[in-house]
Amino acid sequence: ETGVTQSPTHLIKTRGQQVTLRCSSQSGHNTVSWYQQALGQGPQFIFQYYREEENGRGNFPPRFSGLQFPNYSSELNVNALELDDSALYLCASSLKGDDAFFGQGTRLTVV
Amino acid sequence: QQQVKQSPQSLIVQKGGISIINCAYENTAFDYFPWYQQFPGKGPALLIAIRPDVSEKKEGRFTISFNKSAKQFSLHIMDSQPGDSATYFCAASIAGFQKLVFGTGTRLLVSP
Repeated sequence: ETGVTQSPTHLIKTRGQQVTLRCSSQSGHNTVSWYQQALGQGPQFIFQYYREEENGRGNFPPRFSGLQFPNYSSELNVNALELDDSALYLCASSLKGDDAFFGQGTRLTVV
Repeated sequence: QQQVKQSPQSLIVQKGGISIINCAYENTAFDYFPWYQQFPGKGPALLIAIRPDVSEKKEGRFTISFNKSAKQFSLHIMDSQPGDSATYFCAASIAGFQKLVFGTGTRLLVSP
């Protein structure tokens, strides 16, 4: 186990709703990255937070937003959910520039 | 230029055999190359990683071979075991900025 915990593990939302996913980073890690993994594909980078500031963003629309807190935990918020947002959402923590360790993920289903 | 191409898509190896998965990249700025193992319903687990100042790194049964001039790297799993059956992802990034670009994955099945 990596020490990176995500909650909830599963959830089902209706199209148009909003969702918040949470991540507790491994002790001592100051960088959190979020990834979206569609079924049968590799993870896709959403964005990264370093010391509470966004530090890079992938090709995702603004309705994907995030926060990092002083204890380095993080949230991913998705507004106006679409069916294509159904995926496994992964959080990874690291010391900046070092190996990244993933949590078990949150399985989001949009119906 | 941001892609990482991974092959094969799937692989069947007999117990005790060698599993080999290959990846190629285009972006010469990449300087960190990890491999992840993922079981169904779980997050990816870091197996081993290499930086381009070395051509090979070994940890237990897992070895990364790296060819900077060819922009290719590969994972070798020696003495493959049924418990190694999983999906393997290569990835690449620019060290210091952990935006990992993942390959498409290889589903490995090790037959008993």
